[in-house]
Amino acid sequence: QVQLVQSGAEVKKPGASVKVSCRASGYTFTDYDIIWVRQATGKGPEWMGWMNPNSGTTGYAQKFQGSVAFTRDTSISTAYMELSSLRSEDTAVYYCARGRAISIIRLQICLDVWGQGTTVTVSS
Amino acid sequence: DIQLTQSPPSLSASVGDRVTITCRAGRSISGYLNWYQQKPGKAPRLLIYAASSLESGVPSRFSGSGSGTDFTLTISSLQPEDFATYYCQQSYGTPLTFGGGTKVEIK
Repeated sequence: QVQLVQSGAEVKKPGASVKVSCRASGYTFTDYDIIWVRQATGKGPEWMGWMNPNSGTTGYAQKFQGSVAFTRDTSISTAYMELSSLRSEDTAVYYCARGRAISIIRLQICLDVWGQGTTVTVSS
Repeated sequence: DIQLTQSPPSLSASVGDRVTITCRAGRSISGYLNWYQQKPGKAPRLLIYAASSLESGVPSRFSGSGSGTDFTLTISSLQPEDFATYYCQQSYGTPLTFGGGTKVEIK
């Protein structure tokens, strides 16, 4: 079945970096954008940005410009999110999701398949 | 950024009740509004896309309506498995944004 499987929980110290993986199966990885969303405890989801797995083109929310990078390895249908210069405020569950188009305009999408989430804890 | 305001933030309801959740956008987003359900410790689940289209596999008691700035998610007869938090999300423009959520609790 169509699914996204993420890597396991991480505990990092302030100033460190974290890299989360998201492996796709059950569909053609390069046919859909991968969206990254994070959610702090008790808060709503927050969009971080997108990646086109076919071209590698990325787009980042302004808040994360310069601190996040999305990459992919198409040979293993896996997307990656790397967040650097971690602070305590980055403690959250990080999700990857598949973006399915609802119009011909880029990013007019719905998020129809989600990974299980990766908990990232930043603590000294 | 396009702000989405959900109301109410929480509600208590009984099994069998009709429940309505609203989402108001800070400016017109045409019909580019999606609804998700999230249970504790789980990822969000897509229920409704493009304001009123029911996602495959989602029970027909869920429905969505609206366009422009005002949108509604309706659960026609609340079931025990529907107690969860519901989020709206717009994809009219970037950054994609989510509402603050509506927690549906058991009365």
